Amino acid sequence: AQTVTQSQPEMSVQEAETVTLSCTYDTSESDYYLFWYKQPPSRQMILVIRQEAYKQQNATENRFSVNFQKAAKSFSLKISDSQLGDAAMYFCAYRRRSGNTPLVFGKGTRLSVIA
Amino acid sequence: KAGVTQTPRYLIKTRGQQVTLSCSPISGHRSVSWYQQTPGQGLQFLFEYFSETQRNKGNFPGRFSGRQFSNSRSEMNVSTLELGDSALYLCASSTPDSTGGGYTFGSGTRLTVV
Repeated sequence: AQTVTQSQPEMSVQEAETVTLSCTYDTSESDYYLFWYKQPPSRQMILVIRQEAYKQQNATENRFSVNFQKAAKSFSLKISDSQLGDAAMYFCAYRRRSGNTPLVFGKGTRLSVIA
Repeated sequence: KAGVTQTPRYLIKTRGQQVTLSCSPISGHRSVSWYQQTPGQGLQFLFEYFSETQRNKGNFPGRFSGRQFSNSRSEMNVSTLELGDSALYLCASSTPDSTGGGYTFGSGTRLTVV
């Protein structure tokens, strides 16, 4: 079974600084998706960034970028120029591309942003 | 475009009772998935419905059930509530072919069992 591990339960960053959240996963599949979701106090899970495993280029969305290392099964999220609104729980998730399988989530990392 | 709507936002029930939660997906989304979120277990998949048929199920007891209507709205039901069922229940919808693999989530229903 696929598993997703986030080894940092909590992280903090100064406003305007850069922070990297770690995620590793375990799968025997070669074609899959990886995601980072953000869950603010409003509780809604918001998709931050998506990576397709067959694409070697790391995904980027404005201040958010990933470092996808397929061989190492590592998928870290870098947040640049951190803002107060970035404070939230961040979840790494995996989904196999075929077979209509569900998302598998890590336990999450709580990010605090210090003004 | 309206997002995924879950009702109610909060619910308090007594042990032994049953509860029904509702989820209205984004218009045009025919797949609806349910997840349970607790501090101890994190996010766990309950089930997925597509075109009124359950096509995937997580490892939860039979007390947890769901259904989907012809307009893609979904309900989940928990019977004989236990204290451990206290959780945030999240619903997510996606396009028929789950393009891009991702889902759009609602804000959840916070269920407290006392």
